[in-house]
Amino acid sequence: GEDVEQSLFLSVREGDSSVINCTYTDSSSTYLYWYKQEPGAGLQLLTYIFSNMDMKQDQRLTVLLNKKDKHLSLRIADTQTGDSAIYFCAEVDSSYKLIFGSGTRLLVRP
Amino acid sequence: GAVVSQHPSWVICKSGTSVKIECRSLDFQATTMFWYRQFPKQSLMLMATSNEGSKATYEQGVEKDKFLINHASLTLSTLTVTSAHPEDSSFYICSAIVAKNIQYFGAGTRLSVL
Repeated sequence: GEDVEQSLFLSVREGDSSVINCTYTDSSSTYLYWYKQEPGAGLQLLTYIFSNMDMKQDQRLTVLLNKKDKHLSLRIADTQTGDSAIYFCAEVDSSYKLIFGSGTRLLVRP
Repeated sequence: GAVVSQHPSWVICKSGTSVKIECRSLDFQATTMFWYRQFPKQSLMLMATSNEGSKATYEQGVEKDKFLINHASLTLSTLTVTSAHPEDSSFYICSAIVAKNIQYFGAGTRLSVL
């Protein structure tokens, strides 16, 4: 079945760039997503990319998609302490169900 | 953007009681909503797909009689945890399909069963 994998933890210094990586298995996914979850809260859709795109940029966020390697990354430029959260990568199946990775906990050090 | 409202945000109940959680789409109609469960420091686990006007579709291993889902209108889905026990304590999150392949999530409900 489908599987999405992420590294569990990333620590960066405030002002640096953060890169969160994700691999997925379902090559038929039409969209791939990045969600952010702050403690005790629901998921906030940060950005998504259509599978025929290589890159998408939205302000401080840059998504790169390597469809051949089934690799997705999220780059956060000028990382701030408010960016500390858990970031989930997800793909969607044919029933519109989201398949989530385990989440990457981003810690931004002052 | 689209807003999904979930209520209550936190509920504490005694073992054996039933708890109802509401998920509302505030500015759009949602024919399909999803219910997830999240354990501490873990990812989201899909429990069921809620379809307006029809029965919910449950994922394997989820007890349909334990977790009752009703989607009677285009803006409201409810999840009722029946005869709750301490092992049902968890964070429950709903989502709604806003547009093709775009889902927005509620803020979640923390259930604590004593």
